[in-house]
Amino acid sequence: GESVGLHLPTLSVQEGDNSIINCAYSNSASDYFIWYKQESGKGPQFIIDIRSNMDKRQGQRVTVLLNKTVKHLSLQIAATQPGDSAVYFCAENDYKLSFGAGTTVTVRA
Amino acid sequence: DTGVSQDPRHKITKRGQNVTFRCDPISEHNRLYWYRQTLGQGPEFLTYFQNEAQLEKSRLLSDRFSAERPKGSFSTLEIQRTEQGDSAMYLCASSSGTKAGELFFGEGSRLTVL
Repeated sequence: GESVGLHLPTLSVQEGDNSIINCAYSNSASDYFIWYKQESGKGPQFIIDIRSNMDKRQGQRVTVLLNKTVKHLSLQIAATQPGDSAVYFCAENDYKLSFGAGTTVTVRA
Repeated sequence: DTGVSQDPRHKITKRGQNVTFRCDPISEHNRLYWYRQTLGQGPEFLTYFQNEAQLEKSRLLSDRFSAERPKGSFSTLEIQRTEQGDSAMYLCASSSGTKAGELFFGEGSRLTVL
């Protein structure tokens, strides 16, 4: 069964606002998590990853937060742009990726 | 463009026919993955190669499915006696293995079984 899952299937965000996408996982032993973005008609694209020995990791306009106590991670996108409209997946990795269902982010102009 | 090529991009076939998809990974990547994605769902792992060796197959990969990577470069995924339930996007990805979760996906091959 699915071991990672996103909280909301859709998210509508005003351009320029920050977006927060949430994901829960069930396996306490999971030690590596990844976020992917999938634009319409394309394959998933790596955004950022985080290991369980970290609580926070920042990339370009994105931040991933990991709360191991409640087995929750989130992806924050700063100053959301129209190009951020996509489906976002969290995944956990042993040596292959196990994806959850995605959150569709729609950016309003 | 990630550098991973898949062919064909779209395939429409009748139930019972065989289909084959090809994936050309990034040339220096030794790991190659096949995933299947249905509408509204995340990709589901099918199988994984390291060089030419097929190291794991998901239980989703019934005996009608076979994948090969004969020279450790391109890979093929064949589906025999297609069924309507096989309709999906078939995604190929490759990685060098240096960054565990960073897979480079192709744009997929969409299969429609009538």
